[in-house]
Amino acid sequence: QQPVQSPQAVILREGEDAVINCSSSKALYSVHWYRQKHGEAPIFLMILLKGGEQKGHDKISASFNEKKQQSSLYLTASQLSYSGTYFCGTEMTDKLIFGTGTRLQVFP
Amino acid sequence: NAGVTQTPKFQVLKTGQSMTLQCAQDMNHEYMSWYRQDPGMGLRLIHYSVGAGITDQGEVPNGYNVSRSTTEDFPLRLLSAAPSQTSVYFCASSLGVADTQYFGPGTRLTVL
Repeated sequence: QQPVQSPQAVILREGEDAVINCSSSKALYSVHWYRQKHGEAPIFLMILLKGGEQKGHDKISASFNEKKQQSSLYLTASQLSYSGTYFCGTEMTDKLIFGTGTRLQVFP
Repeated sequence: NAGVTQTPKFQVLKTGQSMTLQCAQDMNHEYMSWYRQDPGMGLRLIHYSVGAGITDQGEVPNGYNVSRSTTEDFPLRLLSAAPSQTSVYFCASSLGVADTQYFGPGTRLTVL
């Protein structure tokens, strides 16, 4: 039931781009993206709703393919502050189920 | 506006003991949920509530009970602690399941 995230880990230099993917075997109502720094709580980045509406972040974009039950998070011109673990959450009939996470490290 | 608060921050239990993890929010959110986080497993949903008086099971509900007598509070009870319940527990609240989830700071629980 947990969505599958790929890759599991990414290492970048500042300024490089990254894509994190999230796929589910079940029909989705919405997809959420969160970032968690070590030892802290997850913080909201973005929500993508069926029909294309997005709510969220200025510098990070995402896509949601309802038919394929997939979402991708696009991080462009990465900054040191982007380091952390990224989680996608998939909404299934009143429940928000998170994936296992993608660890992103950005180095100078 | 305190947001989502969780107590305690740290707890050590012995196998078989029971305890309650507290979660409260002051944003008048209807939707609340509990997750546990283990290395490599991500955030796994334990129980959730769509409003006062209504609770339902998530992915990993065994060994845990919840109740929602008020909009503000959503306590999580461990009935008989086991070492497998050693984890970091996060409470979250939102207007609804499709809205921004606000997470509490977490409770780190160790069961010996």
